[in-house]
Amino acid sequence: GQNIDQPTEMTATEGAIVQINCTYQTSGFNGLFWYQQHAGEAPTFLSYNVLDGLEEKGRFSSFLSRSKGYSYLLLKELQMKDSASYLCAVMDSNYQLIWGAGTKLIIKP
Amino acid sequence: GAVVSQHPSWVICKSGTSVKIECRSLDFQATTMFWYRQFPKQSLMLMATSNEGSKATYEQGVEKDKFLINHASLTLSTLTVTSAHPEDSSFYICSAGNRDFSYNEQFFGPGTRLTVL
Repeated sequence: GQNIDQPTEMTATEGAIVQINCTYQTSGFNGLFWYQQHAGEAPTFLSYNVLDGLEEKGRFSSFLSRSKGYSYLLLKELQMKDSASYLCAVMDSNYQLIWGAGTKLIIKP
Repeated sequence: GAVVSQHPSWVICKSGTSVKIECRSLDFQATTMFWYRQFPKQSLMLMATSNEGSKATYEQGVEKDKFLINHASLTLSTLTVTSAHPEDSSFYICSAGNRDFSYNEQFFGPGTRLTVL
């Protein structure tokens, strides 16, 4: 079956760095997405990786290793507004998104 | 660009009534639209995928007669929850994509919160 695993909850301190991991097993691979979702709102796109390596976009970076079925989202200089759920999703061979359950990130002052 | 709207944002209805939710792509043509449901503290669950002009493809366990999906144009898809019951109360989110997008990216609407009394 298809499976996306990510931690349920993480806590970090304002100004610090946090890494959210995601491992996946899917039928084919057409890219991995990270989305941010604040409570009661729809997800918003953060990043897309289809090749191995690191993609940096401001305070957020995303890494992919296809051979290991592994990705991480790195958030630097954490701000209180970064408190949200972070969803890892993999697009399978049918171009369908397979979603992880999300990681709730709690930022403390 | 790539804005998706949903209407209504929230709706409260009595048990047994039907509710229609609209999803519109405002500045692009959506060849594919997706309907998700999300219960509190859970991840998104794909309900169905619809391609313009053809019947929707429903995920296993989703009743097609209860959740009617119409994707009549490249900018509009509707989800009708028929004979709604309290267990249908959830956050319904649509997303839209175009096969020509480089990332195969889906753009999400703001969601519709449905409460069935």
